[in-house]
Amino acid sequence: QKEVEQNSGPLSVPEGAIASLNCTYSDRGSQSFFWYRQYSGKSPELIMFIYSNGDKEDGRFTAQLNKASQYVSLLIRDSQPSDSATYLCAVNPFYGNNRLAFGKGNQVVVIP
Amino acid sequence: DVKVTQSSRYLVKRTGEKVFLECVQDMDHENMFWYRQDPGLGLRLIYFSYDVKMKEKGDIPEGYSVSREKKERFSLILESASTNQTSMYLCASMVGSYEQYFGPGTRLTVT
Repeated sequence: QKEVEQNSGPLSVPEGAIASLNCTYSDRGSQSFFWYRQYSGKSPELIMFIYSNGDKEDGRFTAQLNKASQYVSLLIRDSQPSDSATYLCAVNPFYGNNRLAFGKGNQVVVIP
Repeated sequence: DVKVTQSSRYLVKRTGEKVFLECVQDMDHENMFWYRQDPGLGLRLIYFSYDVKMKEKGDIPEGYSVSREKKERFSLILESASTNQTSMYLCASMVGSYEQYFGPGTRLTVT
């Protein structure tokens, strides 16, 4: 089983809609969770982190963590064309010595 | 703001050359990382360092070595570049168990 899985394929959303991205992880002892945004040809940029169960909101972004079910999600409200990017989920496993485990990413395309 | 810089944005080298990629961070972070990123394969960890002169192998260390003589600087060395090392190389730094911050990346082409 892969450490971090982001299974859904490219996501196309109309401008102004909500984009929803999901990520599951295998290490039950994981303590910290991150979402990165990566534009084509650029490096990943941290947009959200969450450590506790529940929701965390930052502007149009909401991260949701459910440790019992071992998933973390990212909601992008009022999606804009500038949100078109690949979103990477990352998890700091309990054993990891601060080595983050990254998912392969989900591409989001916001259609004007 | 955290700043992580990498010595080159684009680099073209010939097969067999020794290649140095340098990364510098300005936030006194203990942990530094080198990744490569390839289409369909995601981010793969090559090496990381949790202190000066300390290093640990990541998932794909073969063909690479690293050096960390000063806390702010972490170098990746390709001893003898090969075409299968053509990739985007990303450096990151991290304090404690918190967020990793990435540099702008170096797109290396080996011909």
